[in-house]
Amino acid sequence: KNEVEQSPQNLTAQEGEFITINCSYSVGISALHWLQQHPGGGIVSLFMLSSGKKKHGRLIATINIQEKHSSLHITASHPRDSAVYICAVVKPSQGAQKLVFGQGTRLTINP
Amino acid sequence: KAGVTQTPRYLIKTRGQQVTLSCSPISGHRSVSWYQQTPGQGLQFLFEYFSETQRNKGNFPGRFSGRQFSNSRSEMNVSTLELGDSALYLCASSLFFSSYNEQFFGPGTRLTVL
Repeated sequence: KNEVEQSPQNLTAQEGEFITINCSYSVGISALHWLQQHPGGGIVSLFMLSSGKKKHGRLIATINIQEKHSSLHITASHPRDSAVYICAVVKPSQGAQKLVFGQGTRLTINP
Repeated sequence: KAGVTQTPRYLIKTRGQQVTLSCSPISGHRSVSWYQQTPGQGLQFLFEYFSETQRNKGNFPGRFSGRQFSNSRSEMNVSTLELGDSALYLCASSLFFSSYNEQFFGPGTRLTVL
């Protein structure tokens, strides 16, 4: 079983819909990142969370450390939000920290 | 401010060869991390360099190595290439340690091993 699981793997929605992408993890972590990858490969860092909630424009990220779960929400979705969204956890490893990635959620927003 | 640059963008090699990929971080960033992305395994952490020292390493064989120079530019090397090394190799830079700081990703180098 992967240490980081995302759901759903694929999501198709209509423009304007509220989107939720989930990330569950099975290891102790000190922080969690949400990344966005557009077709062509470019990756953009959206959020880094260690507790609570962060908001940036139409994007909201939450994390519940006790439940080992994080969500990424997109309000008023738009076709330009179509991308792969990747969750990555910061896991202690041999005295340092390393990122462990989920498999990604492919989001398609239709006009 | 210029973003993270990677060279070359595309590379085709044959099995058994070696390859060197280069990454220039954003000016002032001291940490460079390398990642491998494949359709089957997704994104995987290779290693992180900070101030010319390898700070952390993922679960990859010794054929994968890297280094960082005094100007923070970094290179990664893969020796004795295998078909399974075909992947998109991404580097990312951050001001300090990558785990707790926003990372800025380069466009990647797409390596094909024939």
